[in-house]
Amino acid sequence: SYVLTQPPSVSVAPGKTARITCGGNNIGSKSVHWYQQKPGQAPVLVIYYDSDRPSGIPERFSGSNSGNTATLTISRVEAGDEADYYCQVWDSSSDPLYVFGTGTKVTVL
Amino acid sequence: EVQLVQSGAEVKKPGESLKISCKGSGYSFTSYWIGWVRQMPGKGLEWMGIIYPGDSDTRYSPSFQGQVTISADKSISTAYLQWSSLKASDTAMYYCARPGNQGVFDYWGQGTLVTVSS
Repeated sequence: SYVLTQPPSVSVAPGKTARITCGGNNIGSKSVHWYQQKPGQAPVLVIYYDSDRPSGIPERFSGSNSGNTATLTISRVEAGDEADYYCQVWDSSSDPLYVFGTGTKVTVL
Repeated sequence: EVQLVQSGAEVKKPGESLKISCKGSGYSFTSYWIGWVRQMPGKGLEWMGIIYPGDSDTRYSPSFQGQVTISADKSISTAYLQWSSLKASDTAMYYCARPGNQGVFDYWGQGTLVTVSS
């Protein structure tokens, strides 16, 4: 089955840039989505189709996807960005159909 | 406004059965797949399966095939996740979520906490 690998944790100072990677075999050929999950809350979509932002998500959140790595970038990090982040893909020809990454805890120093 | 509202927390004993629900509103319930996602304590998200309420077509993750049953009642816009015999390892938060184009889960329920303990 398809595997998505994320670093367990990323630490960043306020105002700096956080980059969260999501590695998968030829992930650049798939659409990658990113979710933010704060403690005790349901996940929230922050990036879809590699780099699109849902309405209400700050422009500070951006995404890219190429080769074997997709990346979620959070610019000008704020304390409120501290959360777990998950990447996710869908592949109609694989089993399981939907795969989530292992998750990354972003800590704002 | 699209909303997915899940049933409340459950505390069960091993071996008991359980059915939790997810009611959709604000969209055509029969025109979108709806899925279930497990999150064990302190762990990540795991996709369990999906159902298309329009014709009850159901797909399961290999990890959950035979362990749970997903169903839907389109007359009341509600999807279900059920167990026939719970185990302690089923203790987790369960989310329903609506997958859209290219598999993006654009709407999520608030989650149902299931605790299985003797």
